[in-house]
Amino acid sequence: DTAVSQTPKYLVTQMGNDKSIKCEQNLGHDTMYWYKQDSKKFLKIMFSYNNKELIINETVPNRFSPKSPDKAHLNLHINSLELGDSAVYFCASSQDPRSTETQYFGPGTRLLVL
Amino acid sequence: KNEVEQSPQNLTAQEGEFITINCSYSVGISALHWLQQHPGGGIVSLFMLSSGKKKHGRLIATINIQEKHSSLHITASHPRDSAVYICAVRYYGGATNKLIFGTGTLLAVQP
Repeated sequence: DTAVSQTPKYLVTQMGNDKSIKCEQNLGHDTMYWYKQDSKKFLKIMFSYNNKELIINETVPNRFSPKSPDKAHLNLHINSLELGDSAVYFCASSQDPRSTETQYFGPGTRLLVL
Repeated sequence: KNEVEQSPQNLTAQEGEFITINCSYSVGISALHWLQQHPGGGIVSLFMLSSGKKKHGRLIATINIQEKHSSLHITASHPRDSAVYICAVRYYGGATNKLIFGTGTLLAVQP
């Protein structure tokens, strides 16, 4: 029943490792997003995909690579993890990129890099 | 300076009090969202406004486009309202639904 789901919920890893976070939405939405919430709880957009196409790519290190195999999935792969990557990563979806509809958020993935 | 500012940053209230959280922004927007993040971390969208006022239960959100200001009111507050309340704006005329977030207001309602 979950509208937007993310896996894993928690991720603890060593510096230098490569890891992926997965996101799936069952709302039939065309647009999906990745947000990062830092230790001060500040949310910032990282990427957005519409119908599997990248439409927003904020100033994010190229160690972060999103992949959208289909419009219901948006995964985030992170290479060579650094301490500063520790944060909560939220996936979200909306009907379309210019929609006045609300965005629906996943439960978040808490990443801790040691 | 952040494009979206919220006040107060922290707010403690007694159960039953009327609460107001403010949001000011400096960019042209097409919509403003109020989000709620509970201690467990999940984010829920409360309102999306482009003008006027919306009400949902004990929550009321207003927006004044000319003054670039929005308020979120909670009537008859309850401890379960304790959460972080986040204001987010969507750029006017932008091709995409890019949200810019405020820094959040941490609300604690004491019984």
